[in-house]
Amino acid sequence: KNEVEQSPQNLTAQEGEFITINCSYSVGISALHWLQQHPGGGIVSLFMLSSGKKKHGRLIATINIQEKHSSLHITASHPRDSAVYICAAWDNYNQGGKLIFGQGTELSVKP
Amino acid sequence: NAGVMQNPRHLVRRRGQEARLRCSPMKGHSHVYWYRQLPEEGLKFMVYLQKENIIDESGMPKERFSAEFPKEGPSILRIQQVVRGDSAAYFCASSPRQRNNEKLFFGSGTQLSVL
Repeated sequence: KNEVEQSPQNLTAQEGEFITINCSYSVGISALHWLQQHPGGGIVSLFMLSSGKKKHGRLIATINIQEKHSSLHITASHPRDSAVYICAAWDNYNQGGKLIFGQGTELSVKP
Repeated sequence: NAGVMQNPRHLVRRRGQEARLRCSPMKGHSHVYWYRQLPEEGLKFMVYLQKENIIDESGMPKERFSAEFPKEGPSILRIQQVVRGDSAAYFCASSPRQRNNEKLFFGSGTQLSVL
């Protein structure tokens, strides 16, 4: 079992739908990242969370430390949101750079 | 303020050749991380460097791979005697400080293809 698991692996939505991507982790973490990887390959950091909830535009990220679970929500989805979304955890016991990545969720938003 | 710059964007090598991948971190960032994304797989940590120091290389293959981040110039990921299994996208990221909760800024990646 991977230390960071995402679901679903693939997601197709209609424009305007509310989207949720889930991330569960089994390691103790100090922070969790949500990343977006565009079809061209570039990676953008969307959020870095250690507790609670963050919002940026139509994107909302939440984390529940006790349940070891995080969610990424997209409201009013748009075709330009089509990308791979990746959660990645900073291992609590590692002071180096070892982010542990989920496998990614490939999102396709249809017009 | 330019972002993290990686070059080349695409690199083609024949088996047995050397591959050199470069990463220039964002201005003011002294921490560089290299990650590899194999085809159909997720990203995996390779190495974490500060200027002139390797801090964590626990994700690097034991042979043929090396990394450096000199006092001047970009960070270099070097792969000697490449094999087909080295074909992957290699990403670097940088951050200004050494904290596990620091936001990372990623480069666009180098796609290495080994023929």
